[in-house]
Amino acid sequence: DVKVTQSSRYLVKRTGEKVFLECVQDMDHENMFWYRQDPGLGLRLIYFSYDVKMKEKGDIPEGYSVSREKKERFSLILESASTNQTSMYLCASRTTGLPYEQYFGPGTRLTVT
Amino acid sequence: DAKTTQPNSMESNEEEPVHLPCNHSTISGTDYIHWYRQLPSQGPEYVIHGLTSNVNNRMASLAIAEDRKSSTLILHRATLRDAAVYYCILRDKRYGAGNMLTFGGGTRLMVKP
Repeated sequence: DVKVTQSSRYLVKRTGEKVFLECVQDMDHENMFWYRQDPGLGLRLIYFSYDVKMKEKGDIPEGYSVSREKKERFSLILESASTNQTSMYLCASRTTGLPYEQYFGPGTRLTVT
Repeated sequence: DAKTTQPNSMESNEEEPVHLPCNHSTISGTDYIHWYRQLPSQGPEYVIHGLTSNVNNRMASLAIAEDRKSSTLILHRATLRDAAVYYCILRDKRYGAGNMLTFGGGTRLMVKP
């Protein structure tokens, strides 16, 4: 069974803290993604990576950075957490080529106080 | 970018068929139509995809209009576990080799016992 796992289901951090969200996939996928999901705004793409050490900005990269040192692991970093980054964060990975079936992790609900 | 339009919500009775519509009048010739669903407190999961012909799998059927400007996801016998938000998505070419999947608002399906 394919698996995308995220390091935490729930996380509470203080404003200004550096936050690391970890994602691991066991499917040998080249492509990995970070989204955030907010009520009324749907899923929005933050960053994606199509290979080790390669990254591209998504729709809302401001305030975030990413790291992909190994194929199976994609980390989302909040350099200095702010309250407007309170959200559900979803990691996903995807097959290369058509039809681009995407597998999601269970999500991390981050609260910044 | 090709976009999709779905009703915000729909209701169904348990064990009855459900037809979830999606309009995508600006679809391009090589866009695949994907459906994902998101159960409460989980990440989205793949349901089905198609290009031109109708498709069936163990979860659902996908009926695609001849002009491809609309499609319908069919759940043959809704169960309480099918209550979820259903997303109709077109492959997005904005990011070149990334070929993003852009999630809209989706349809919230409620299933009544």
